[in-house]
Amino acid sequence: KQEVTQIPAALSVPEGENLVLNCSFTDSAIYNLQWFRQDPGKGLTSLLLIQSSQREQTSGRLNASLDKSSGRSTLYIAASQPGDSATYLCAGLDNYGQNFVFGPGTRLSVLP
Amino acid sequence: DTAVSQTPKYLVTQMGNDKSIKCEQNLGHDTMYWYKQDSKKFLKIMFSYNNKELIINETVPNRFSPKSPDKAHLNLHINSLELGDSAVYFCASSQDFRGTEGGYTFGSGTRLTVV
Repeated sequence: KQEVTQIPAALSVPEGENLVLNCSFTDSAIYNLQWFRQDPGKGLTSLLLIQSSQREQTSGRLNASLDKSSGRSTLYIAASQPGDSATYLCAGLDNYGQNFVFGPGTRLSVLP
Repeated sequence: DTAVSQTPKYLVTQMGNDKSIKCEQNLGHDTMYWYKQDSKKFLKIMFSYNNKELIINETVPNRFSPKSPDKAHLNLHINSLELGDSAVYFCASSQDFRGTEGGYTFGSGTRLTVV
């Protein structure tokens, strides 16, 4: 059964810092992977999708990569801003499954 | 124009009642899902429908019954509500059952509180 961990569980940084969030799957056979953002009391906003043929995706200050050999993904946030404060969730679909399995999330606080 | 919309946004009800949550997507996606986010914020799949057919039914009490009248709608009916059913329920959709094209799109959630 696919399980997902995210490190760190929580992170607090001053504005302007570059930071890395980590996501790891027990089964490295990941078909595709998606990073989401969840604001308190809100739904999930899709940030980046890495499809089966891809290893990396970029959108603005965000960059996500996936190492299929190890089943690990990183989300890089450049020049962090207070508006980036939220919980970041990774979710992956393994080659045998039919639904995304979510990690527990990293709660990010960017201090002004 | 909301891509995946759920109603109601908040639902407070007494134990033992029966309630429904509705979900509609206007993305033309073939697959829809219900996820439950518990108090510890873990998101877990409950059901998945592809073109109105049930393809995933995780270990969920049979008090929960999904209904898909067409591929744009997936409703969740809950019988005999219990305190432990309190959670946020998210509806989602994807182009196909693997989320190959565009991944998953989520609704804003329904916060269910059973008192």
